[in-house]
Amino acid sequence: NAGVTQTPKFRVLKTGQSMTLLCAQDMNHEYMYWYRQDPGMGLRLIHYSVGEGTTAKGEVPDGYNVSRLKKQNFLLGLESAAPSQTSVYFCASSLPLTSGASTDTQYFGPGTRLTVL
Amino acid sequence: QKEVEQDPGPLSVPEGAIVSLNCTYSNSAFQYFMWYRQYSRKGPELLMYTYSSGNKEDGRFTAQVDKSSKYISLFIRDSQPSDSATYLCAPRGQTGANNLFFGTGTRLTVIP
Repeated sequence: NAGVTQTPKFRVLKTGQSMTLLCAQDMNHEYMYWYRQDPGMGLRLIHYSVGEGTTAKGEVPDGYNVSRLKKQNFLLGLESAAPSQTSVYFCASSLPLTSGASTDTQYFGPGTRLTVL
Repeated sequence: QKEVEQDPGPLSVPEGAIVSLNCTYSNSAFQYFMWYRQYSRKGPELLMYTYSSGNKEDGRFTAQVDKSSKYISLFIRDSQPSDSATYLCAPRGQTGANNLFFGTGTRLTVIP
């Protein structure tokens, strides 16, 4: 049981390049999330998904796209990277709060450190 | 106004000290109050949570919520070097996927 895994762990991009971050979870969770974490800003939600084939915008969606083609995977894409997207990106997954769980604990991956030059 | 305000610290204490970490929030609809712990270069993990007002104890950790003043606290007794981490408060509303709000985190160092 690996939990939430993220690929890659580190990446350096040049301005204008594109890339895709991959998140995978093996806990059969319905909900998945992408956050970015910056010093002094905390965790900010980029996009999230409440199920296979569905996605929605979070607090800071501009410059990012996502897809959830399979329940266990959630992809985050940067079409044209900018230095402002230098950050640590975390993926998380959870069960819905209404599923009978005592709380909808979010399980986080180890993060991807992205630098855009 | 931000949903959650948290003093970023850093906070440095000697081993064995009692630590108090605090947050304030603005949304009276928040019902669940989580504390996540994040070790350096790792993802956050849930430490404990409370529902509505009151206290909850788990070993050396006590979470406290005062909904009347919109104040959230985490107390750590007999702090250990292994408690050195960033602590993020995270209140949320009743339902919905996009209803969890993280504080900026307080970085704690426990000195042996």
